[in-house]
Amino acid sequence: GDSVTQMEGPVTLSEEAFLTINCTYTATGYPSLFWYVQYPGEGLQLLLKATKADDKGSNKGFEATYRKETTSFHLEKGSVQVSDSAVYFCALLPSGGSYIPTFGRGTSLIVHP
Amino acid sequence: NAGVTQTPKFQVLKTGQSMTLQCAQDMNHEYMSWYRQDPGMGLRLIHYSVGAGITDQGEVPNGYNVSRSTTEDFPLRLLSAAPSQTSVYFCASSKTSGGTQETQYFGPGTRLLVL
Repeated sequence: GDSVTQMEGPVTLSEEAFLTINCTYTATGYPSLFWYVQYPGEGLQLLLKATKADDKGSNKGFEATYRKETTSFHLEKGSVQVSDSAVYFCALLPSGGSYIPTFGRGTSLIVHP
Repeated sequence: NAGVTQTPKFQVLKTGQSMTLQCAQDMNHEYMSWYRQDPGMGLRLIHYSVGAGITDQGEVPNGYNVSRSTTEDFPLRLLSAAPSQTSVYFCASSKTSGGTQETQYFGPGTRLLVL
């Protein structure tokens, strides 16, 4: 079946550091890929998405590129802020018409001043 | 728009009790779903619906019932609560297009403790 693997956290960084959170997936065909963010005490919010190979999703300084050859969708940000502290989830939605997404286990990011 | 709303925010139950978690959305979304979130497990889909009168099982449906009588509401019922159902529950909704769902919007969650 489909699966999403994220790097385990927590990831701890100083403000203005470079961020990478790795995400790889297993799925047939060309799934849609997503990054969601969950701030403390809240539900998930879509951060960015990509629906086909080589697409780059971007939002709020975060970027991720859909790499079919490496089945990856790594999240990056050039300069993190304390306000970016949250849990980040990578997810996929299978191609061919599906209503059942698969989520990774989440990666906690802690940014210190 | 209020988006996706969930009630209650927090609930404590005794084993064997029943309860209904409420979810409503005002975005006229066809698709609605329920997830549970457990530490280190990510989100797991319980049930989902692609429109009023249509529901289907997700990854972990046992112990939960749902119905969808209106587009706006999608309640989740626990008929006989068990400690294994202690979790945080999220409702989500989205538009549908081409036989699949678009971006999901999540509610703030219901934290459930079963003693």
